[in-house]
Amino acid sequence: AQSVTQLGSHVSVSEGALVLLRCNYSSSVPPYLFWYVQYPNQGLQLLLKYTTGATLVKGINGFEAEFKKSETSFHLTKPSAHMSDAAEYFCAVSDGNTDKLIFGTGTRLQVFP
Amino acid sequence: ETGVTQTPRHLVMGMTNKKSLKCEQHLGHNAMYWYKQSAKKPLELMFVYNFKEQTENNSVPSRFSPECPNSSHLFLHLHTLQPEDSALYLCASSQALAAGNTEAFFGQGTRLTVV
Repeated sequence: AQSVTQLGSHVSVSEGALVLLRCNYSSSVPPYLFWYVQYPNQGLQLLLKYTTGATLVKGINGFEAEFKKSETSFHLTKPSAHMSDAAEYFCAVSDGNTDKLIFGTGTRLQVFP
Repeated sequence: ETGVTQTPRHLVMGMTNKKSLKCEQHLGHNAMYWYKQSAKKPLELMFVYNFKEQTENNSVPSRFSPECPNSSHLFLHLHTLQPEDSALYLCASSQALAAGNTEAFFGQGTRLTVV
């Protein structure tokens, strides 16, 4: 069975600081990995995804994530936080066969001026 | 605009009421999903439809009844709900199950409150 663990339900950073949101996965098959963002009272929007190929994936809004098989991780980073980045971020995994996404519990990012 | 539209955005209903949630996608997708998002819990996959056929029911109580009349529309019929069913219900769509393109597009959700 597949699963996702997001370390830290809340992360706070100052504007301009590095953002690091952690995600570890468990999968018995090569995983497809995703990061979604949810703004208040909104649905989920895809930030980036890893399926195959290059392990460093760039997404929208300056975010990127690196797939590290040896560490079973897919951490999300952004070099410089912006106030508009405040939202909830979800890591998800699928097996690439069924397209069903298994989500983590989410990390709420707060950005302080 | 994500291409997936959910109505209504907010719904308050009594435990004896019957109501329906609607989801419509204009992306040409063939797989549609209902998720439940409760506070402090992971998103829970409820139902999956692929080419109008239900392929998964994740042990969802029978007071939730899905309907997929065509690949563009998905409904969730609600009756005799409980207060613990209050949550954000999210609809999503993707190209098709096992199509190799696993990106799911989400609607904005329906905030359901059961009183």
